[in-house]
Amino acid sequence: GAGVSQSPRYKVTKRGQDVALRCDPISGHVSLYWYRQALGQGPEFLTYFNYEAQQDKSGLPNDRFSAERPEGSISTLTIQRTEQRDSAMYRCASSLRGQVRDGYTFGSGTRLTVV
Amino acid sequence: GENVEQHPSTLSVQEGDSAVIKCTYSDSASNYFPWYKQELGKRPQLIIDIRSNVGEKKDQRIAVTLNKTAKHFSLHITETQPEDSAVYFCADNNAGNMLTFGGGTRLMVKP
Repeated sequence: GAGVSQSPRYKVTKRGQDVALRCDPISGHVSLYWYRQALGQGPEFLTYFNYEAQQDKSGLPNDRFSAERPEGSISTLTIQRTEQRDSAMYRCASSLRGQVRDGYTFGSGTRLTVV
Repeated sequence: GENVEQHPSTLSVQEGDSAVIKCTYSDSASNYFPWYKQELGKRPQLIIDIRSNVGEKKDQRIAVTLNKTAKHFSLHITETQPEDSAVYFCADNNAGNMLTFGGGTRLMVKP
């Protein structure tokens, strides 16, 4: 696609429910990144992929968070048993050649609210 | 892990004045330093970046300087305009292929 697409734009869920956030990167981009951005703060790294391989998941807060990119294109970030502290904007970004120096293109994000 | 400190957290300037935002980083292996601009309700967008083999880079009214010895880099905006009002984030790549972001600076340009 022309840009990085994320869905849904907004998600309100009850505490304890599982949620799946989707990211469709720019076509042909090798790397896909997931970040979390709290209100008024900078994006915080969660995990990233080159093609379908998860390269680094050191930023995932705990084992309730997981991500996959099975065919090297669309990625899903799943949060199990959501908690109120999971409420944030979740942003996906992609870059062309698998190098951060290519620059990130961010998506519009999914605003998750856990009630 | 890597730590990127950014200041000030808010900056208010008069239209036409200059604005300077500073960042420090901790990992000496960092070699790429981008700056992102995020307007209210929108996604962060890359506005300028600098690599470690360069001390300064300029693009029209925006410039970035890097001091690797002191581990700090700065964004300079000259002749500020109201449309420059936004939150600005610095970042570095530390030793990996991901970015660590600073906490952001809210720049307000008063007409």
